[in-house]
Amino acid sequence: AQSVTQLGSHVSVSEGALVLLRCNYSSSVPPYLFWYVQYPNQGLQLLLKYTSAATLVKGINGFEAEFKKSETSFHLTKPSAHMRDAAEYFCAVSSSGTYKYIFGTGTRLKVLA
Amino acid sequence: DTGVSQDPRHKITKRGQNVTFRCDPISEHNRLYWYRQTLGQGPEFLTYFQNEAQLEKSRLLSDRFSAERPKGSFSTLEIQRTEQGDSAMYLCASSLEGGTQETQYFGPGTRLLVL
Repeated sequence: AQSVTQLGSHVSVSEGALVLLRCNYSSSVPPYLFWYVQYPNQGLQLLLKYTSAATLVKGINGFEAEFKKSETSFHLTKPSAHMRDAAEYFCAVSSSGTYKYIFGTGTRLKVLA
Repeated sequence: DTGVSQDPRHKITKRGQNVTFRCDPISEHNRLYWYRQTLGQGPEFLTYFQNEAQLEKSRLLSDRFSAERPKGSFSTLEIQRTEQGDSAMYLCASSLEGGTQETQYFGPGTRLLVL
């Protein structure tokens, strides 16, 4: 069975500060990993995905994530937070041959002026 | 590419009423998924279609829920005899079989409130 744990349901950072959102996964097979962002009353938008190619994945809006198999982690980072980054972020896992995503409970990012 | 669309965006109903939601996937996508998202939680898988065939239903999908995709294009999700616990955001997603690691693209969701 696959699962995702997102540590920290709420994270606050100052504008211009580093953003770090944590995601740990559990999977008995090589995983595919995804980060999605959700703005209020909207659906999910794909930020980036890991699919067994490069372990450092770059996404949209300046975000990136690093796949660390030894730590079973896929943390999301951005060097400098912007006010528009305030949203909810979801980490998800799937694998080859499966079709459903297993999502974490989400992390709400607040950016302080 | 017009993206995944869902209709309605919001629905308020009284307990016991039936509701139906529609999802139009990205046109060339043959896989379609329904998820449910309750407040403060991540989306949870409900069901999955490949073309018109419904291949899996989650245990979350009680007998009051039914989903169809009659021509392999749009899909409907019906909830009969709604209960307050059905209040949630219902998300639809689509993907292309064999596409880039089956990336799922999500619609804006239908927010249901059962009074």
